[in-house]
Amino acid sequence: GAGVSQTPSNKVTEKGKYVELRCDPISGHTALYWYRQSLGQGPEFLIYFQGTGAADDSGLPNDRFFAVRPEGSVSTLKIQRTERGDSAVYLCASSLRGGSGANVLTFGAGSRLTVL
Amino acid sequence: KQEVTQIPAALSVPEGENLVLNCSFTDSAIYNLQWFRQDPGKGLTSLLLIQSSQREQTSGRLNASLDKSSGRSTLYIAASQPGDSATYLCAVKRGETSGSRLTFGEGTQLTVNP
Repeated sequence: GAGVSQTPSNKVTEKGKYVELRCDPISGHTALYWYRQSLGQGPEFLIYFQGTGAADDSGLPNDRFFAVRPEGSVSTLKIQRTERGDSAVYLCASSLRGGSGANVLTFGAGSRLTVL
Repeated sequence: KQEVTQIPAALSVPEGENLVLNCSFTDSAIYNLQWFRQDPGKGLTSLLLIQSSQREQTSGRLNASLDKSSGRSTLYIAASQPGDSATYLCAVKRGETSGSRLTFGEGTQLTVNP
């Protein structure tokens, strides 16, 4: 597609529920990133995929968070047993290639998650 | 751990003013630094990227400088317009061997009044 697409744009759920957030990167981009942005804060790194594999998942806050990218394109961020502190905007970005290099990331509009 | 700080947190100026946004980082071992713009309900748009070996980058009315040794960057906006109103974020990329994550500041919320 022309840009990075994220769905849903808004998700309201109850504490303890399971949530999936989807990211459709720019076609041909091998690198994909998930960031989380809380209100009034800058984005915080969660995980980075190069192709199908998670090259760096050190930003995931705990084992309730998991992400997959089975075919090297679309990625799904999965949050189990959601907590109110998980409320944030989850941003996805992609670039032509990851690792070192001056590749500019293209960000999606984000998925706003609210946990009641 | 890299920490990125942006000052001021918010800025309101009349149209036409020149202004400077500041960004500082604690670890000077960066690969590059980027300035982004974020509009409400939208993703981040990359404005300027400065490699660690560069001192500045310019795009239109925007000029970003980098002083890596002192851990500082500035974004200069000339002749500000109401359409410049947005949150501006700076982000540093760690050294080449440390993966590709960006560390962001908290942003400066800019309002340009007509």
